[in-house]
Amino acid sequence: QQPVQSPQAVILREGEDAVINCSSSKALYSVHWYRQKHGEAPIFLMILLKGGEQKGHDKISASFNEKKQQSSLYLTASQLSYSGTYFCGTEYLASGNTPLVFGKGTRLSVIA
Amino acid sequence: NAGVTQTPKFRILKIGQSMTLQCAQDMNHNYMYWYRQDPGMGLKLIYYSVGAGITDKGEVPNGYNVSRSTTEDFPLRLELAAPSQTSVYFCASNLRSRGEKLFFGSGTQLSVL
Repeated sequence: QQPVQSPQAVILREGEDAVINCSSSKALYSVHWYRQKHGEAPIFLMILLKGGEQKGHDKISASFNEKKQQSSLYLTASQLSYSGTYFCGTEYLASGNTPLVFGKGTRLSVIA
Repeated sequence: NAGVTQTPKFRILKIGQSMTLQCAQDMNHNYMYWYRQDPGMGLKLIYYSVGAGITDKGEVPNGYNVSRSTTEDFPLRLELAAPSQTSVYFCASNLRSRGEKLFFGSGTQLSVL
């Protein structure tokens, strides 16, 4: 029941774009995105609720495809500060108040 | 505003010892969670609480116990520590369970040798 993230790892040069995907086999209520730097706690990026919305701030945005039960995180014109591990967390439609289930993460490395 | 505070930050235990990881939040959040994170892995839920006096098991509860006597505190107890419990432990909280971001503590690095 853990969401599946892809790719597992990606290396970018500064200024390049990346897409990280999060897929679920169960109907989703929401998808959360967090970024974690090495040795630190995860930091919240955004939540997407069912309804196919797209959200974003700065050069990081995300979409939620309700038909595919998939969310994608878009990082454009990447900066060195974007390096870290990105996790999606999912809340399932049918699971009431069951807490977030996290994917295994996507390790993003941005190099100069 | 301190947010979610975890103590200690680091701890080394011998096999068979016990300890309590402390977690406190000052945001009046109803929901509190304990996750563990193994190297290269995501966060796995150990236990959670929907309010004082109410706790429930997560995905990996074996070897752990929790209690929630107040809204602010949610300690995690390890009994008879085993090497498999070597991990980073994160406490988190939010006001409601659905569609609300998690506020994380800074984590506890635990090694069991």
